[in-house]
Amino acid sequence: DIQMTQSPSSLSASVGDRVTITCRASQGIRDDLGWYQQKPGEAPKRLIYTASSLQSGVPSRFSGSGSGTEFTLAISSLQPEDFATYYCLQHNSFPLTFGGGTKVEIK
Amino acid sequence: EVQLVESGGGLVQPGGSLRLSCAASGFTFSSYWMSWVRQAPGKGLEWVASIKEDGREKDCVDSVKGRFTISRDNAKSSVYLQMNSVRAEDTAVYYCAWGKSAASWGQGTLVTVSS
Repeated sequence: DIQMTQSPSSLSASVGDRVTITCRASQGIRDDLGWYQQKPGEAPKRLIYTASSLQSGVPSRFSGSGSGTEFTLAISSLQPEDFATYYCLQHNSFPLTFGGGTKVEIK
Repeated sequence: EVQLVESGGGLVQPGGSLRLSCAASGFTFSSYWMSWVRQAPGKGLEWVASIKEDGREKDCVDSVKGRFTISRDNAKSSVYLQMNSVRAEDTAVYYCAWGKSAASWGQGTLVTVSS
């Protein structure tokens, strides 16, 4: 099984800060990775697909990078609506696996 | 616009059964994998099962193998999760998702396993 190690598990940041979240795969997954945002009481929403492609309608302050085993989600300038929990998902092989999540909180 | 609407959740006793349904619209259902993902209270996301376009290929997480079955009806644009021999640890919100890459999600349906 492919393990997805996501870090950090939580972070505190201020509006306007640049934030980066990392997912590391236990083996190569090419670019078969997505990033998701989840707010309390809501379903997750995909932000990034194939590691670096921005989902339609998602603000351009979100970006994804990486391939193989190391992946990064970046938020260039944190906005109030971005405080949420973020997950990565590898869909390269079964069982599909999520990272443990990163909760982004207000400093 | 893609829409996924889950139903069938509720309270079930340990060892009991439940069938979740997900009605899809806004895309050519028969051309895509479909998945179920769950989230236990206060926990992260866990992939449960996925099924191929024609239903001939499917897979699920080890913890539900032999108990849960994913199926689909392309004529009804619907995907199902038959849950048998449920356990307390199956308590979660169950989401239907479009594709293996979970491009879009339903609002979720809560399954509570308790006596």
